[in-house]
Amino acid sequence: EIVLTQSPGTLSLSPGERATLSCRASQSVSSNFLAWYQQKPGQAPRLLIYHAFNRPTGVPDRFSGSGSGTDFTLTISRLEPEDFAVYYCQQYATSRTFGQGTKVEVK
Amino acid sequence: QVQLVESGGGLVKPGGSLRLSCAASGLTFSDYYMSWIRQAPGKGLEWVSYIDSGGGEIYYADSVKGRFTISRDNAKNSLYLQMNGLRAEDTAVYYCVRGHHGLEVWGQGTTVTVSS
Repeated sequence: EIVLTQSPGTLSLSPGERATLSCRASQSVSSNFLAWYQQKPGQAPRLLIYHAFNRPTGVPDRFSGSGSGTDFTLTISRLEPEDFAVYYCQQYATSRTFGQGTKVEVK
Repeated sequence: QVQLVESGGGLVKPGGSLRLSCAASGLTFSDYYMSWIRQAPGKGLEWVSYIDSGGGEIYYADSVKGRFTISRDNAKNSLYLQMNGLRAEDTAVYYCVRGHHGLEVWGQGTTVTVSS
């Protein structure tokens, strides 16, 4: 099983700042089969990124994904008030696993 | 507008059974892989199971293998999860989701509580 480790656990930032979230895999994620999700309290998660760097229609371009192999990054270029939430990475290359999440909170 | 609506959750004793249903609308249901994802209270996400568009390819997490069965009825635009031998650790919100790679569309979830 591929274990995904997200860091940091909590990121304290102000609106307008840049957020950089990390997701490290215990083994290589083939074909960049990695996705990112955003979850707000009381809501279902929302897909932000798939195949490591592709954005679904409707996801703002301030969200970007990068990386390959075992190291992946979600970047939010300028935090908007609605971006404060928990973010999960997930791989679908071998079986299916999620990271434990990174909370982006208001500083 | 794509909509997924789960039902069937509730309180059940350890060892008991529940059948979750998911009614899909606004999409050609038979074109898509479908998944069940769960989230225990205050915890992260766990992929439970997925099924391909025709029902021939099925995946289960090790934690539910042998106890849970996923199925679908394309004529009724519906997805199901039969859960037997329920344990306290199965307590979670269960989401019906379109997709099996990136999870594109989520239902609002149904809560399953396993407790005596």
